[in-house]
Amino acid sequence: EPEVTQTPSHQVTQMGQEVILRCVPISNHLYFYWYRQILGQKVEFLVSFYNNEISEKSEIFDDQFSVERPDGSNFTLKIRSTKLEDSAMYFCASSEGGSPTAYGYTFGSGTRLTVV
Amino acid sequence: GESVGLHLPTLSVQEGDNSIINCAYSNSASDYFIWYKQESGKGPQFIIDIRSNMDKRQGQRVTVLLNKTVKHLSLQIAATQPGDSAVYFCAENIRNGNNRLAFGKGNQVVVIP
Repeated sequence: EPEVTQTPSHQVTQMGQEVILRCVPISNHLYFYWYRQILGQKVEFLVSFYNNEISEKSEIFDDQFSVERPDGSNFTLKIRSTKLEDSAMYFCASSEGGSPTAYGYTFGSGTRLTVV
Repeated sequence: GESVGLHLPTLSVQEGDNSIINCAYSNSASDYFIWYKQESGKGPQFIIDIRSNMDKRQGQRVTVLLNKTVKHLSLQIAATQPGDSAVYFCAENIRNGNNRLAFGKGNQVVVIP
């Protein structure tokens, strides 16, 4: 069964450093998403991406965050200058179409980001 | 605004018993709801979904009930097994030009052998 792959599984970084979280979506999927989950809290939407541009972003996704699809397979989330409160599990998801009612989402296993 | 939340943080259930997990949502425009299961160290996994034009949908050992009048969603798991131990999230499809999922906080289910 096709999977969404995320690397690394765990990233520890110093506050103020830049991090890049990587995702390889399912190959025929066209819509990509990043969500995050702070420990013990709900999964929160960050950003959706389609046709090489951001479709929608949440208030969490400020100027410190950016996404990129640098080639035909990777989808990355960059945090420019990490803060302690960025510590969370970050999930990538992809879907074949834009509507979850028709296509559903497939989530990766997540990257646990720890900012120290 | 959007608000999807769960009533009970932890549910302990005997193996073989039925489990019921509840969820409240506040966005009356949401047209689609999903239950996800999240095991430790893994991403959310799709369990079952329901469209807003339905009241009930059944899968294998799982049933989702939707009450639009009170904006309430529930997941019933029949004959709970140890492998059902996980955190369960409800999510609603927010339609505002784009589509995205808004998740509830999560409800831990612990199956006691």
